[in-house]
Parts: sequence; structure tokens; C-alpha cells
Amino acid sequence: EAGVVQSPRYKIIEKKQPVAFWCNPISGHNTLYWYLQNLGQGPELLIRYENEEAVDDSQLPKDRFSAERLKGVDSTLKIQPAELGDSAVYLCASSASGRETQYFGPGTRLLVL
Amino acid sequence: RKEVEQDPGPFNVPEGATVAFNCTYSNSASQSFFWYRQDCRKEPKLLMSVYSSGNEDGRFTAQLNRASQYISLLIRDSKLSDSATYLCVVSPGRRALTFGSGTRLQVQP
Repeated sequence: EAGVVQSPRYKIIEKKQPVAFWCNPISGHNTLYWYLQNLGQGPELLIRYENEEAVDDSQLPKDRFSAERLKGVDSTLKIQPAELGDSAVYLCASSASGRETQYFGPGTRLLVL
Repeated sequence: RKEVEQDPGPFNVPEGATVAFNCTYSNSASQSFFWYRQDCRKEPKLLMSVYSSGNEDGRFTAQLNRASQYISLLIRDSKLSDSATYLCVVSPGRRALTFGSGTRLQVQP
């Protein structure tokens, strides 16, 4: 079974530029999560989707971050414009309906210069 | 105060040693508890769930004390391959997970 797929794996951009990350969850997983992980810290939830509905986006900085999950499968997380402090690893995870175990993708390492 | 607190370590132990990690959590409404393992520059992976009755998986034993809001992980007979960061995770339900900052373990030959 394929795991959670994320792309790109690495991204270097200049501040004020836009950037987008893509995630393909495990087939059949209804719940999708985006996390941000800073160096030396645990992942922090940005947004959680149940199918195509964002059910928890309270930690998403909506002035510059946006996300979508069209058709309840793939998801895209966007930052516009990026700031220096956005440099981090962006992790996508998915879980099956009714199950708590989350499976993480390899993450996208973002460096904002 | 962080919702989940862990000693960041690093814990440097020789092969074969027994090592224990602890974490405390602040949300008394937390319902589910886990330990995740994260290798350097890799994604977190579920190590084990933690139950009030305690549970064991091979060399790993997890304990939960709800009254003290305290979770522990014991690793016996440490292997070089156990070197990683161990993340304490709690959930109030509704599938929201709150991660600690992790405890780094380095097992030395």
C-alpha cells in the first residue's frame, strides 16, 4: 500500500514569494491533516479535513495561508506571501474514518531567504 | 505552559541499557495517548498507543497515570536502531493530536 505522498520534498524561495505544497493521502483515508514542524519542536496542526470539508482550521494563519481539498482526495497548502519565519517542515498526514492512527508523509522542507 | 511537556534530552545510553522517558500533559479532558517515533529528517511514525492499564510491545512498555496526567515510555535492552526522537502525543478526541517537542535518544555502541 502506498503511503502519504508529498511534493515537492524541498523548496527554497525568497521572502514575499508564493509557494504551494501538494499532498496525496493514503487511498481511502477520509481525514487529511496539514502540520507545521519547526526545528526541535513537535508537529503543530494547521488544518484538518474530513473529506472536502475543513473541520478545524483554527491554527491556520489565514492572512497568508490557504488550503483546499478538492473532491476530498488530494490537498494543496499555499502560502502567499512567504515570510522568513515560515521556514519549517510542512507535514501532511491522513487517517481512516473512525481511526485515530495518523500516517505522515515525508514532508516538504521550506526555506525562505 | 505547553500542553505536552517532555524533557528534550538528549539521553545518551549504551547498547543494552534500559531507558525511560516521561511526559506530562495539561488537558485533563485528553482521551487518547500515544508515543510516536521520529528519525532524523524523517516523518513521525506511531510507536504505540498508551492505555491506563499499561501496555507492552516487545522491548517497549508504556504507562499512563491519568490522575497525575503523566505518560511514560520504557525501552529495555536498547539497540542502536532505537536512536531517534520520541514524541509524546495526546488527543482530546475528535482526532486532534497535540505533540510534545520530543525526547532525543542516542544509543551508543
